[in-house]
Amino acid sequence: AQKITQTQPGMFVQEKEAVTLDCTYDTSDQSYGLFWYKQPSSGEMIFLIYQGSYDEQNATEGRYSLNFQKARKSANLVISASQLGDSTMYFCAMSASAGGTSYGKLTFGQGTILTVHP
Amino acid sequence: GAGVSQSPSNKVTEKGKDVELRCDPISGHTALYWYRQSLGQGLEFLIYFQGNSAPDKSGLPSDRFSAERTGGSVSTLTIQRTQQEDSAVYLCASRRQGNTEAFFGQGTRLTVV
Repeated sequence: AQKITQTQPGMFVQEKEAVTLDCTYDTSDQSYGLFWYKQPSSGEMIFLIYQGSYDEQNATEGRYSLNFQKARKSANLVISASQLGDSTMYFCAMSASAGGTSYGKLTFGQGTILTVHP
Repeated sequence: GAGVSQSPSNKVTEKGKDVELRCDPISGHTALYWYRQSLGQGLEFLIYFQGNSAPDKSGLPSDRFSAERTGGSVSTLTIQRTQQEDSAVYLCASRRQGNTEAFFGQGTRLTVV
């Protein structure tokens, strides 16, 4: 069984500063994928970034980077230069195997609400 | 449209009634998923379709829940004899074979009164 833990129900950050949202995971699979999504008030989950378990480099997508520490089973999201529009709910998730061979079923954490202050 | 479309966006139903929730995935996406999100919670997997078949139905909470997919496209999630605990947002997602990320619809907010 897989489990995702997000220990921060809420986080606050000053505009233009960086913020780290924590995510730890538990799985017995050797191959897996880690995802971050955000969920604005409209309800849809918006994909932010992906890290495969065999990827040696940390994933980056614009202002988003994923701090992947495999031995510690953590996959923290770092948002640089926070913007007021970043204020929303963020979810960490994992799939059973990395890349196209997975059928993509996701296990989600409980989410972290990020508030960016001006 | 270009994204995943779900209808209705909101549904209020009386306890004991049946409801149908619809999902139109992105064209060409063979994988389709249904998730449920209760208030303030993360998403809970319900069912996965590959084409018209459902190799993983392990998340369906009871036999009151069923889903089908036709033509490798539209999917319908049916909840029979709704209960108050079925109140949640039901999200649908689709994914292209070989790609990693799934794209989500905006969900159907179901309220059972």
